[in-house]
Amino acid sequence: DQQVKQNSPSLSVQEGRISILNCDYTNSMFDYFLWYKKYPAEGPTFLISISSIKDKNEDGRFTVFLNKSAKHLSLHIVPSQPGDSAVYFCAASGRNAGNMLTFGGGTRLMVKP
Amino acid sequence: EPEVTQTPSHQVTQMGQEVILRCVPISNHLYFYWYRQILGQKVEFLVSFYNNEISEKSEIFDDQFSVERPDGSNFTLKIRSTKLEDSAMYFCASRRENSPLHFGNGTRLTVT
Repeated sequence: DQQVKQNSPSLSVQEGRISILNCDYTNSMFDYFLWYKKYPAEGPTFLISISSIKDKNEDGRFTVFLNKSAKHLSLHIVPSQPGDSAVYFCAASGRNAGNMLTFGGGTRLMVKP
Repeated sequence: EPEVTQTPSHQVTQMGQEVILRCVPISNHLYFYWYRQILGQKVEFLVSFYNNEISEKSEIFDDQFSVERPDGSNFTLKIRSTKLEDSAMYFCASRRENSPLHFGNGTRLTVT
């Protein structure tokens, strides 16, 4: 099942710089997209979401961009901090936030001091 | 901040044994979920539960699996006869209407 793909398994960024995490999807029925952050031995923690009626949503240092025609979304973190080092999961659902989430494989972000 | 609580954090069981994983969702949440992540693989949806019944389930959630909300606070996942391939992290999640899922820290199930 490759409906949601994160092609970069890892990303290394210098503190203070921008981190850009990418996600592609194939299912046209997806209309709600989320990013979760996961630390070791913890569950995924919700970061930010975007509905398909928007192309951008911003929350502090985190911005999610959605390109529906390309079926692509990205998460920008700026400035990156060492505490941002974690695995980031993209997830998608259909109809509304309540339907089951389909997750990508995750990208491990390492922010170097 | 309220959180989803899962117990135990690690469960070791022998193949063929029954196991019950326990979760206490956030108190004002109405929708409940189980997901799992096999080591090195994606987080996968198992089942969703609303208004005391299953609302959706995946192909993984076969007759060996069941869920229950035995009282006003607990939400359990039972695996009747565990197999080696059931070894995974099992995450419980809950949410309010039109809000994102909040996940617990998971139970690591090891079937030997």
